[in-house]
Amino acid sequence: EDQVTQSPEALRLQEGESSSLNCSYTVSGLRGLFWYRQDPGKGPEFLFTLYSAGEEKEKERLKATLTKKESFLHITAPKPEDSATYLCAVQKDNTDKLIFGTGTRLQVFP
Amino acid sequence: EPEVTQTPSHQVTQMGQEVILRCVPISNHLYFYWYRQILGQKVEFLVSFYNNEISEKSEIFDDQFSVERPDGSNFTLKIRSTKLEDSAMYFCASSTGPFLPYGYTFGSGTRLTVV
Repeated sequence: EDQVTQSPEALRLQEGESSSLNCSYTVSGLRGLFWYRQDPGKGPEFLFTLYSAGEEKEKERLKATLTKKESFLHITAPKPEDSATYLCAVQKDNTDKLIFGTGTRLQVFP
Repeated sequence: EPEVTQTPSHQVTQMGQEVILRCVPISNHLYFYWYRQILGQKVEFLVSFYNNEISEKSEIFDDQFSVERPDGSNFTLKIRSTKLEDSAMYFCASSTGPFLPYGYTFGSGTRLTVV
């Protein structure tokens, strides 16, 4: 069965304290892995797509990496405005639906 | 920046009533989706829609659910006879294509509460 698991469920960081969020997946025929940010009461906002093991993408303080079994979202020197829930989703071959994980709720304190 | 617009933002309905959730996708997008998120749970795929027909649906999307694009701008999700377990946040999303590197654009959602 296809599964996407994110850890930790929640993460509290001091401003400037770098860390990583994990997304592990068991999916047959992976087309791509997506990272989204979700603010309270809002829809997911697209961050990155990764397609193959070894691929990396960066945007401001965020960097996403992909291996054959998992993806990491590294956050460097976070700021309070980075506080949000970060969602990982996978897309399989021959389907356009996204399979989401439960997310990591990140809180960054000044 | 173009947005996907959903109305209403919050709807309360009695069990057994019909509800219609409305979405205005981004104007040049051709692929449309509904997802839902029960409080504290994962975002779940419901249905994808392209060229005026359903292209894929999940096991959640049973005969109680239907989708329609009644005109050139709106995309609706109808739940015929709501149940308590239909209470969730419903997200509409749209895209210019199904397998694009920049994902879909999601709306802000409609919170449906069935009482």
